[in-house]
Amino acid sequence: GAGVSQTPSNKVTEKGKYVELRCDPISGHTALYWYRQSLGQGPEFLIYFQGTGAADDSGLPNDRFFAVRPEGSVSTLKIQRTERGDSAVYLCASRGTGTAFGYTFGSGTRLTVV
Amino acid sequence: AQSVTQPDIHITVSEGASLELRCNYSYGATPYLFWYVQSPGQGLQLLLKYFSGDTLVQGIKGFEAEFKRSQSSFNLRKPSVHWSDAAEYFCAVGASPGTASKLTFGTGTRLQVTL
Repeated sequence: GAGVSQTPSNKVTEKGKYVELRCDPISGHTALYWYRQSLGQGPEFLIYFQGTGAADDSGLPNDRFFAVRPEGSVSTLKIQRTERGDSAVYLCASRGTGTAFGYTFGSGTRLTVV
Repeated sequence: AQSVTQPDIHITVSEGASLELRCNYSYGATPYLFWYVQSPGQGLQLLLKYFSGDTLVQGIKGFEAEFKRSQSSFNLRKPSVHWSDAAEYFCAVGASPGTASKLTFGTGTRLQVTL
């Protein structure tokens, strides 16, 4: 597609529930990134994929967070047993290869855990 | 480890006045530097980026930034601010363009524009 698409745009869930957030990157972009942005903060890195594999997952806060990208395109960020502290905007970005490409961000999914 | 410092949390300027937003980075190699803007409820929009070449980089919406290696800085400037520039601005650093590593962001500077 023309840009990075994230769905849903908003998600409200109850504490303890499981959620999935979806990211559809720009067609042909091999690198895909997940960030978390809490209120009043800059985006914090969670994980990035090069193709289907997680090249760096050092930012995942704990084992309740998991992400997949099975076919090297769409990615899903999965959060188990959600906690109120997980409330944030989750941003996805994709990047093509070569020096001309920057990082293109989606509009994010606002997750609220009540 | 790479890091970015944006010393100013909040800046207020009058419409038509000039603007400079500060950014200092820490990175062990040649940095790939970015400025993004974020309006309320929106994603991040790229203003400009720099890796090599002329240290004064032109971006969209009349913004420019200057890379100063000796000061580890990449400050964003605009000669005349418009009310529509009110937003949150983020500086970020990453590895060279040939690699697809993560970006590290600063905490942002919120710009308020008074009429």
